[in-house]
Amino acid sequence: SQQGEEDPQALSIQEGENATMNCSYKTSINNLQWYRQNSGRGLVHLILIRSNEREKHSGRLRVTLDTSKKSSSLLITASRAADTASYFCANGGTSYGKLTFGQGTILTVHP
Amino acid sequence: ETGVTQTPRHLVMGMTNKKSLKCEQHLGHNAMYWYKQSAKKPLELMFVYNFKEQTENNSVPSRFSPECPNSSHLFLHLHTLQPEDSALYLCASSQISDIRPYGYTFGSGTRLTVV
Repeated sequence: SQQGEEDPQALSIQEGENATMNCSYKTSINNLQWYRQNSGRGLVHLILIRSNEREKHSGRLRVTLDTSKKSSSLLITASRAADTASYFCANGGTSYGKLTFGQGTILTVHP
Repeated sequence: ETGVTQTPRHLVMGMTNKKSLKCEQHLGHNAMYWYKQSAKKPLELMFVYNFKEQTENNSVPSRFSPECPNSSHLFLHLHTLQPEDSALYLCASSQISDIRPYGYTFGSGTRLTVV
């Protein structure tokens, strides 16, 4: 299965702290993507990292990819209460367009 | 709004009913998807339409029937559903390119309850 597995399943932190979420996958990838979902809503695309990249930044987000370990991490720096959501990694597989999602990490940021 | 619109937002239907979910995108994307999100399970890819042709059907029961009349619209026709089909149904679109990968744009979903 290409399915990613996020770790931890749930993370609770205080505002201002950093949040790190990890994702592991089983098969080769073309790219790996991270998404955010607020309760009961659609997913929002955060960042995409290609298999030949090792690190990528977007605002307070930093994503790393280690293809030798088949793992990725998402770091949110200086977290805010508004960052409270579920975060999913998605395996881009080897064919463009098709994504396989993990179960997600529930992040709670306390004010 | 994300550019992908799903209707209705909520739907309650009996097991003998027939209903349809609608998805519309105005982003010029060439691929559209249906995903099912159930509690405590990963998102499940149901159907993929690439340039209006169905390219993937992940062993979805025949009580779910997709339709893609053009590259901007996607439907999911439902009939004789089971209570376990209750879930959040998400539509997404993306651009498929040979040059580079793109992320998905999701709609807000349809919360389906089968009674």
